[in-house]
Amino acid sequence: AQTVTQSQPEMSVQEAETVTLSCTYDTSESDYYLFWYKQPPSRQMILVIRQEAYKQQNATENRFSVNFQKAAKSFSLKISDSQLGDAAMYFCAYRYNTDKLIFGTGTRLQVFP
Amino acid sequence: DTGVSQNPRHKITKRGQNVTFRCDPISEHNRLYWYRQTLGQGPEFLTYFQNEAQLEKSRLLSDRFSAERPKGSFSTLEIQRTEQGDSAMYLCASSSGRMTDTQYFGPGTRLTVL
Repeated sequence: AQTVTQSQPEMSVQEAETVTLSCTYDTSESDYYLFWYKQPPSRQMILVIRQEAYKQQNATENRFSVNFQKAAKSFSLKISDSQLGDAAMYFCAYRYNTDKLIFGTGTRLQVFP
Repeated sequence: DTGVSQNPRHKITKRGQNVTFRCDPISEHNRLYWYRQTLGQGPEFLTYFQNEAQLEKSRLLSDRFSAERPKGSFSTLEIQRTEQGDSAMYLCASSSGRMTDTQYFGPGTRLTVL
């Protein structure tokens, strides 16, 4: 069975600094998708970034980038130039084919001015 | 594109009562998913539909839970004889079903069972 593990329950970062959130996963599949979702307090979950496993190049979306290590089954999220609005729960998620998402337990990110 | 909507946003009920939630997906999306999220946890998959067909149900979905998607448009999730352990956020998501597509989430329905 596929699993997703986020080992950092909480992280904090100073405004304008860089922070990295960790995620590991387990699967026997070779072709799959990985996602980072952001869930602000009392607001809905939104997609931050996605990575196709067949792509070697790490995905980037503005200040957000990933470090995808397929052999190590690692998928970390780097947030550069952190902003107060980045404070939220961040969930790492795995999807095989067009199937359901499997989420980790989340990392709460606090951003200090 | 108005996004995924869910109603009600909050529901408080007494143990043993039945409740029903509604999800309206993005209009051109033919896949609809239900997830449950308890405090401090990530969402857990409950069930999903391809158009009106329910294709998969999680073991979390006991026989007190039933989901429908008549005509492949909106979906309802009903919980019968609610228990305190059913208290959670119920999330709905939709996607086009294409391999490259993303699931877009609604705001959720927060259920509190007293």
